[in-house]
Amino acid sequence: NIVLTQSPATLSVTPGESVSLSCRASQSISTSIHWYQQKSNESPRLLIKYASQSISGIPSRFSGSGSGTDFTLSINRVESEDFSIYYCQQSYSSLYTFGSGTKLEIK
Amino acid sequence: QVQLKESGPGLVQPSQTLSLTCTVSGFSLTSNSVHWVRQPPGKGLEWMGGIWGDGSTDYNSALKSRLSISRDTSKSQVFLKMNSLQTDDTAIYFCTLGLRGWFAYWGQGTLVTVSS
Repeated sequence: NIVLTQSPATLSVTPGESVSLSCRASQSISTSIHWYQQKSNESPRLLIKYASQSISGIPSRFSGSGSGTDFTLSINRVESEDFSIYYCQQSYSSLYTFGSGTKLEIK
Repeated sequence: QVQLKESGPGLVQPSQTLSLTCTVSGFSLTSNSVHWVRQPPGKGLEWMGGIWGDGSTDYNSALKSRLSISRDTSKSQVFLKMNSLQTDDTAIYFCTLGLRGWFAYWGQGTLVTVSS
């Protein structure tokens, strides 16, 4: 199975700062990585598909990059509503996997 | 519009079998895949498995021996059955529509507690 390692586990930031969240795959997966945001007691929400493709309705401050094994979700100028948990997910293999998540918290 | 809704028992006894139903609308099961994802309380997301448009299935290797996913296209329903439940199977169980690799639509999730 393809293992996705997210770092850091927790990121403490002040609103207005810009941040980068990392997701590393155990083997090359091209750009078959997708990013989700999950707020407490809610279902996950898709933010980015195929590493860098934007999703309709998602604020433009969210962007993604990377290919191969290293991927990044960037949030430009974090807003209060962005404090939640972020997950990456791969679809390179038909046996999908999620990363363990990065919690974005208020400093 | 696309909708998915999970249903099933909220409480299952240890060693018993869990049966969940995902009722969908707004898309065809024969053209899309539906997957099950679970989340233990306070923990991360775990992909359990999925059923593809052609009816074939894939399962998380850690759950494969206990898990079965099937569907009834006439009723727009996808089913999950998992046997030999233990307390660490306590989780929120989501069904989600797979669109060429990503999950854009999710059910609200259903909490399953394994306890005697």
